[in-house]
Amino acid sequence: KNQVEQSPQSLIILEGKNCTLQCNYTVSPFSNLRWYKQDTGRGPVSLTIMTFSENTKSNGRYTATLDADTKQSSLHITASQLSDSASYICVVSANLGNEKLTFGTGTRLTIIP
Amino acid sequence: GAVVSQHPSRVICKSGTSVKIECRSLDFQATTMFWYRQFPKQSLMLMATSNEGSKATYEQGVEKDKFLINHASLTLSTLTVTSAHPEDSSFYICSAWTTSEGYTFGSGTRLTVV
Repeated sequence: KNQVEQSPQSLIILEGKNCTLQCNYTVSPFSNLRWYKQDTGRGPVSLTIMTFSENTKSNGRYTATLDADTKQSSLHITASQLSDSASYICVVSANLGNEKLTFGTGTRLTIIP
Repeated sequence: GAVVSQHPSRVICKSGTSVKIECRSLDFQATTMFWYRQFPKQSLMLMATSNEGSKATYEQGVEKDKFLINHASLTLSTLTVTSAHPEDSSFYICSAWTTSEGYTFGSGTRLTVV
């Protein structure tokens, strides 16, 4: 069964600090991995997308890594801001003829001043 | 970038009534729209996949007669929750796929059935 597990479930850090969120997956056959940011009461917004051959991708203060061998990904947030408070969702896609997405349950990140 | 406009953002309805949620793709054509439901502190769960001009494909356990999906044009897909009950209260999100940007999500609809 395809699964995506994220850790930690929730995280609170001080404004300006860095943090790293983790994503482990058992999705096959792997197609790509996406990180999304979801503000409360809003739809997810794409941060990064990585395919099998990519092991790092940055989008401003967000840097995602992918280790396809160990089936792990991380999202590193640098110099956190209050607006970074949101849920971060790891989504892994399987290529089964058509793309099938498996969503992680997300990490709830709270930035405090 | 690709934008999916979803409305209403919030709706409160009485038990037994029907509610329609609309998703429009702006400046692009969405041949396929995905509909998700998200309960508090849980992940998005795919309910159904709608294809323009054909019947929607529902995930196992989703009642197609309760959640009516219409994808009559390349820019509009609708989800109608019929005979809503309190247990249908949830956050509903649509998503469209484009080759340039992958999956783009709507802003979601908070449905509360009282």
